[in-house]
Amino acid sequence: DAGITQSPRHKVTETGTPVTLRCHQTENHRYMYWYRQDPGHGLRLIHYSYGVKDTDKGEVSDGYSVSRSKTEDFLLTLESATSSQTSVYFCAISGVGENNSPLHFGNGTRLTVT
Amino acid sequence: QQQVKQSPQSLIVQKGGIPIINCAYENTAFDYFPWYQQFPGKGPALLIAIRPDVSEKKEGRFTISFNKSAKQFSLHIMDSQPGDSATYFCAASRGYMRFGAGTRLTVKP
Repeated sequence: DAGITQSPRHKVTETGTPVTLRCHQTENHRYMYWYRQDPGHGLRLIHYSYGVKDTDKGEVSDGYSVSRSKTEDFLLTLESATSSQTSVYFCAISGVGENNSPLHFGNGTRLTVT
Repeated sequence: QQQVKQSPQSLIVQKGGIPIINCAYENTAFDYFPWYQQFPGKGPALLIAIRPDVSEKKEGRFTISFNKSAKQFSLHIMDSQPGDSATYFCAASRGYMRFGAGTRLTVKP
């Protein structure tokens, strides 16, 4: 699993509550990504980071924020969880970055918003 | 709107068969085309990848065929085994990785 740990692995939360998911890597890779996986949609990019304190939006970033204060940690926060954010969230890392670079994924966090 | 369209959604073959999964894209700026394999409860893992200057790439039993003019690429699995049963995602990259919707493959013994 390329030294990627996601926590928690499972979480159930109520609508309107804030939620933070954590991704920790031991590979010292510069690039980190948060994707969500939903049936019929594959994986869609939420946010990504290209260095400490350097982040940018992906294609489905509304309702999410991220922070990266250390190379090894990338946090995803759902500011006020909604049922549409029920999903499986994957963190990925890449050593090279944007183009022509394979992604290595963690094992995911299954989030249920009730 | 899905930038990478993948078909079929699901596929069932007998052991030894050759499942084929197809993907199509619109953005000609894409320059890296990987395939990922995902088992239940795990994250996707890189299986094989191709760049647009190559029409075919083979790694073991897995082959990517790439048709630049048609903007299509496909994954072939030779001599498929029950252990190949998984969900397969095609992807295309320029800036960040875009994924197809996935194909759930079942290989029956």
